[in-house]
Amino acid sequence: DSGVTQTPKHLITATGQRVTLRCSPRSGDLSVYWYQQSLDQGLQFLIQYYNGEERAKGNILERFSAQQFPDLHSELNLSSLELGDSALYFCASSVAWGGAGLTGELFFGEGSRLTVL
Amino acid sequence: KNEVEQSPQNLTAQEGEFITINCSYSVGISALHWLQQHPGGGIVSLFMLSSGKKKHGRLIATINIQEKHSSLHITASHPRDSAVYICAAPDNTDKLIFGTGTRLQVFP
Repeated sequence: DSGVTQTPKHLITATGQRVTLRCSPRSGDLSVYWYQQSLDQGLQFLIQYYNGEERAKGNILERFSAQQFPDLHSELNLSSLELGDSALYFCASSVAWGGAGLTGELFFGEGSRLTVL
Repeated sequence: KNEVEQSPQNLTAQEGEFITINCSYSVGISALHWLQQHPGGGIVSLFMLSSGKKKHGRLIATINIQEKHSSLHITASHPRDSAVYICAAPDNTDKLIFGTGTRLQVFP
């Protein structure tokens, strides 16, 4: 058990819909990262938050947004869903921010599997 | 071009064999991560290393910063080691770039 909790574990929805994925980081971790893993692209970094502030952005679509709340949990909002958004979405947390090379070990949640029909 | 490349893509082994998975990266890095993804999808961080060698149980990770190369070794492999092994390194903006993974199957 990594200590990182993601909900929901599975989600099936239709094109055009909006979903929210939730992540609770490991106790004491201030950084939260979101990653997307699709079948044809492997793991891709989406966005990082540290102590409530956005710190780094990757290949995140404009239809996607995220935030980190004062209690450090984070939500990833996906809107106007398309078939290609079907993927596993992972959240990870780490203690510090200082770049991916300096954050120390990453702790991953179990992922949220999104299927868009 | 993916800045983090792994080889082989697929690997099969008999139980007890010594396994090596390689990772090459093209950017200067401060640390490299090895991850394990189980068949169910969950990801576990195995190592983060910036120099030398680290060992955890039957797993050993080495890195050569000058050659921009890292290896993950599994000694006395076991069917429960069957998983996808992924290396990841930060790019020049410190965002993690992931390799495409090595799918390992260990047969009894």
